[in-house]
Parts: sequence; structure tokens; C-alpha cells
Amino acid sequence: QKEVEQDPGPLSVPEGAIVSLNCTYSNSAFQYFMWYRQYSRKGPELLMYTYSSGNKEDGRFTAQVDKSSKYISLFIRDSQPSDSATYLCAMSAIGGGSNYKLTFGKGTLLTVNP
Amino acid sequence: NAGVMQNPRHLVRRRGQEARLRCSPMKGHSHVYWYRQLPEEGLKFMVYLQKENIIDESGMPKERFSAEFPKEGPSILRIQQVVRGDSAAYFCASTGTLGETQYFGPGTRLLVL
Repeated sequence: QKEVEQDPGPLSVPEGAIVSLNCTYSNSAFQYFMWYRQYSRKGPELLMYTYSSGNKEDGRFTAQVDKSSKYISLFIRDSQPSDSATYLCAMSAIGGGSNYKLTFGKGTLLTVNP
Repeated sequence: NAGVMQNPRHLVRRRGQEARLRCSPMKGHSHVYWYRQLPEEGLKFMVYLQKENIIDESGMPKERFSAEFPKEGPSILRIQQVVRGDSAAYFCASTGTLGETQYFGPGTRLLVL
């Protein structure tokens, strides 16, 4: 079983739709959960960061973490064509020596059609 | 530009040559992580460095790969005697002392012919 599972998609939605992206994980030591957006041939861009369980909202984006189910989600409201990208979930445990190395999902390719 | 900088952005090497990838962290950041993204694969951790120290190299291949982060200058990922399987995008990320949020550079795309 992989440490982090993410459906690679591709996912295609019309402009204005609500998008739901999610990841499951197996390592109960993970405490920090992130979502990155990666445009083609660019570096990952940090979108959302959550510590432990709970919800976090930032504009059109909402991140949810359910540690009991080992399940995290990212919701995008009123999706725009500019949201078309690959979305990566990432997580880390608290490591010795301030080591927060990330374990990534494979990414979900999202296309928002105008 | 206060972001993470990587150079070169693209690097072409023939089998057996050496590749040197550089990463300058964000201003004020002193921790650097290197990740590799193989085609059709997710990002994989390679190594974590602080200034003049390798903290965790558990993701580095045992041979041909090395990394450093000197007191002055950028962090360098060095790949000796490159093989075709080393073709990938290599990203570095930097953090400050509260290291749980990492900011990524644009990556170096290495192509081995």
C-alpha cells in the first residue's frame, strides 16, 4: 500500500463547478497536510496548509483533514479556467532536526472548461 | 524576486557526464529540501539540508548522487556519471526555522541523452 493515494484523474469540469479533490494516506504519524498546485512545467505552488484535523478556508479554496479516516480533501468553489492544473496533496510528520520531508500523492490533473 | 531560485532551468547531458543543479533558497530561509519528479510519477523526497549539514539523505540513491549546502552560496545537487534513468525534473524547496511549510523553486529539467 502506498503511503499516499491520490486519484490521478484526469478531471474535467465546466467553469463555475465545485471541484472536490482528495487523498488517502496510511501513515498515522502525518500531522501536516498541504495542497500544492502545479502548472505544466512549473514548480509546485503552495495553496493550503493545515495542521492536524479540521477545516481551513481561503477564498474559493477549502481544505479538510479527517485524521480518523486518514482522508484529506480540497474543494474549489466557482472554478475558473485558470484553475486548470495538477493538484498535489502532500503531508509530513514531525521529524527530528526540524525535518518535515514531504510525501506526495501523484497529483490530479484538473481541466476547467470555459 | 524573493522566491526560490534554481538554475539551470534545463540541462542536457550525455551518459557518463556530470550534472550540477543549484538552488538558492528564499531570503531568510536556511533549510533546503530536494525532490525528484520522474515522468508519470509523483514528487519524491531526496535529501534535506541545513547550512553545512546533511540532515536526512534517506531518499538519495546510494551511488552517484551527492548534495551540499555550504555556508555561503547555493545548495548543489550533484549527479555523477549520469544515466538515462536520471532524466527528470529536480525541485528544491526552502523553509525557515519553522519548517513545516515548504516553498518550491521552478525546477531543473535534466535530460540525459
